[in-house]
Amino acid sequence: GAVVSQHPSRVICKSGTSVKIECRSLDFQATTMFWYRQFPKQSLMLMATSNEGSKATYEQGVEKDKFLINHASLTLSTLTVTSAHPEDSSFYICSAVTLGGGDTQYFGPGTRLTVL
Amino acid sequence: AQSVTQPDIHITVSEGASLELRCNYSYGATPYLFWYVQSPGQGLQLLLKYFSGDTLVQGIKGFEAEFKRSQSSFNLRKPSVHWSDAAEYFCAVGALGNNFNKFYFGSGTKLNVKP
Repeated sequence: GAVVSQHPSRVICKSGTSVKIECRSLDFQATTMFWYRQFPKQSLMLMATSNEGSKATYEQGVEKDKFLINHASLTLSTLTVTSAHPEDSSFYICSAVTLGGGDTQYFGPGTRLTVL
Repeated sequence: AQSVTQPDIHITVSEGASLELRCNYSYGATPYLFWYVQSPGQGLQLLLKYFSGDTLVQGIKGFEAEFKRSQSSFNLRKPSVHWSDAAEYFCAVGALGNNFNKFYFGSGTKLNVKP
C-alpha cells in the first residue's frame, strides 16, 4: 500500500519550454503532497507543499511563478516548470501524506529533468 | 530551527559486517524521526520511523534505529550488511504542523558494500 507514482520518469526539453510533471497517489487519497528538488549528490530540498483545492505554499527562495503547482484532486498533483533553463535541470521528487493525518510521507520514484 | 546532520558522506563496509549510520538533529520539540533509503535513480523508501514509546525501533530489511534524546541522535544500525544494502541513506525530522509533517532531510550517507 501507499504507492506514489510520477510521470514522466525522465524528460529532456529545450530551454524556454515548459514541462509538466505528474504525481499520483495510486492506492490512497492524499490531501497533502510535497515537491522536492534534489541536486546531484545532495539532499532533498523542499520546494512547496501542495494542498488539494487550495494554493500551494512555497518555501523561501522558490519562485512560484516558475514552478506552478496544481493539486486538482485527492490523488493528483502536478508541477509545471515554466520557461525551463539549464539550471532547472534536476531530480524532482514528490511525496504524499495519507488523508486524515500525515505522519509519514510516501515518496514517488522521481523525475529526472534535463534542460538543453 | 530544525536541522538534520549526517556527518558521514560516504561509508564503506564489507559484506557481513555491522553498520551504523549517524544522524543528529536539532528540533525544539519532540521530533518525529525517519530513515529513508534511496537507490540510484529511485525515490525514497521508508526504512523506519520513531514517534514515541520504545526508543529502539525496528524497520524493514533488518534495520533498526535508536533514539537518544540526550544526544539528539537517531542512528541507524544493521548487524550484518548485504550487498543489496548499497544505496544512499537519508535521515529526516518531521516538524508537525497543520495536520501534516514538513520534513527536513540530512545530506545523506552513501553506503558502499565490499564483497
